[in-house]
Amino acid sequence: SYEVTQPPSVSVSPGQTARINCSGDALPKKYTYWYQQKPGQAPLLVIYKDTERPSGIPERFFGSSSGTTVTLTISGVQAEDEADYYCQSTDTTGSYWVFGGGTKLTVL
Amino acid sequence: EVQLVQSGAEVKKPGESLKISCEAFGYSFTNSWIGWVRQMPGKGLEWMGIIYPDDSDTRYSPSFQGHVTISADKSTNTASVQWNSLKASDTATYFCARRGGSLNFFDSWGRGTLVTVSS
Repeated sequence: SYEVTQPPSVSVSPGQTARINCSGDALPKKYTYWYQQKPGQAPLLVIYKDTERPSGIPERFFGSSSGTTVTLTISGVQAEDEADYYCQSTDTTGSYWVFGGGTKLTVL
Repeated sequence: EVQLVQSGAEVKKPGESLKISCEAFGYSFTNSWIGWVRQMPGKGLEWMGIIYPDDSDTRYSPSFQGHVTISADKSTNTASVQWNSLKASDTATYFCARRGGSLNFFDSWGRGTLVTVSS
């Protein structure tokens, strides 16, 4: 079955830039979405259609795409950004969705 | 305002059956796909499947096909997921979530239902 891959963890100091990659063979053809999940909470969409930011999401969250890799960039990381981040996409048919394994962002 | 209200936590024994639910408010239930996501303790999100309530068209992840049944009741604006015989490995939090229009993402989420399966 189709998979997308993320690093398990990323650590940055406050004010620095965090980059979280997500890789998958179908990503050039299918949109990727990013969710933030804090402990005990439901996931929250932070990026949709690779690069779009929902209303209410701070401008420091930025999505980009290049080939089979998409990237969530968080500029000027703040303590409140510490969370698990998941990429999500679909297989080439669009019928089956998949989440990446999640990346734990630690703000040092 | 879109709200997905999930049923409460459950504690079950292996082999028992279970149905958990997700009641939708604030939008047209029949015209939006609604899906289920599993999160095992300390683990990541797993897409289980999705249903279109108007005609009950359902897609399952290969990992969950045959192990759960996803359904929707238009009369009560409620989606459900059912197990006929629970296993300890079904212990997890289960989220329902609404598909965002015609795009393949979830734009609204329930708060999750914790299912504990233990003898």
